[in-house]
Amino acid sequence: DAKTTQPPSMDCAEGRAANLPCNHSTISGNEYVYWYRQIHSQGPQYIIHGLKNNETNEMASLIITEDRKSSTLILPHATLRDTAVYYCIVRVGGDSSYKLIFGSGTRLLVRP
Amino acid sequence: DAGVIQSPRHEVTEMGQEVTLRCKPISGHNSLFWYRQTMMRGLELLIYFNNNVPIDDSGMPEDRFSAKMPNASFSTLKIQPSEPRDSAVYFCASSLVRNQPQHFGDGTRLSIL
Repeated sequence: DAKTTQPPSMDCAEGRAANLPCNHSTISGNEYVYWYRQIHSQGPQYIIHGLKNNETNEMASLIITEDRKSSTLILPHATLRDTAVYYCIVRVGGDSSYKLIFGSGTRLLVRP
Repeated sequence: DAGVIQSPRHEVTEMGQEVTLRCKPISGHNSLFWYRQTMMRGLELLIYFNNNVPIDDSGMPEDRFSAKMPNASFSTLKIQPSEPRDSAVYFCASSLVRNQPQHFGDGTRLSIL
């Protein structure tokens, strides 16, 4: 079972920041938070991941709370092409670190 | 750089026929994954290979499904005989090592009539 909780849908205006929340209250110390997205008819696309520090790359920023029980994915200037389903995944460590368990995700609609 | 390449993109066949899905992982990646996506069950891991060896096939639904990885640049997922309930989108993914980000292909949309 997925260890994360996400809102089923969100929307934001084009050009504005999209802030996608994720709860992972049972996360363990060696588990990473991963974000993927899936644009219609395409395979999931890796966005970003983090352990406890905030992370930023060319696609997005990941803010993880100090207690690590929740995180937020930030798309700083959303475009219409960012409309997709966004998956927040807690990735276990050790021998099972290959496992990605996808939940239902958040369907983000970027409005013109 | 080329990403994960899957073929065919679409497959429509009749129940009982053999279906073979193909995947070419990203060069240099040691881990390969097959997933299935349906509306009812979402995205599920079917099998995981490391260095061409199957490590976890616990997600393979039944004996009708088999997967092989004869070399580092090619893998197949075979369904024989196929059934209508096998209709789904099948994704292949690869990663540098098992705990690194997985990169997905664009999938094969399979319809069994």
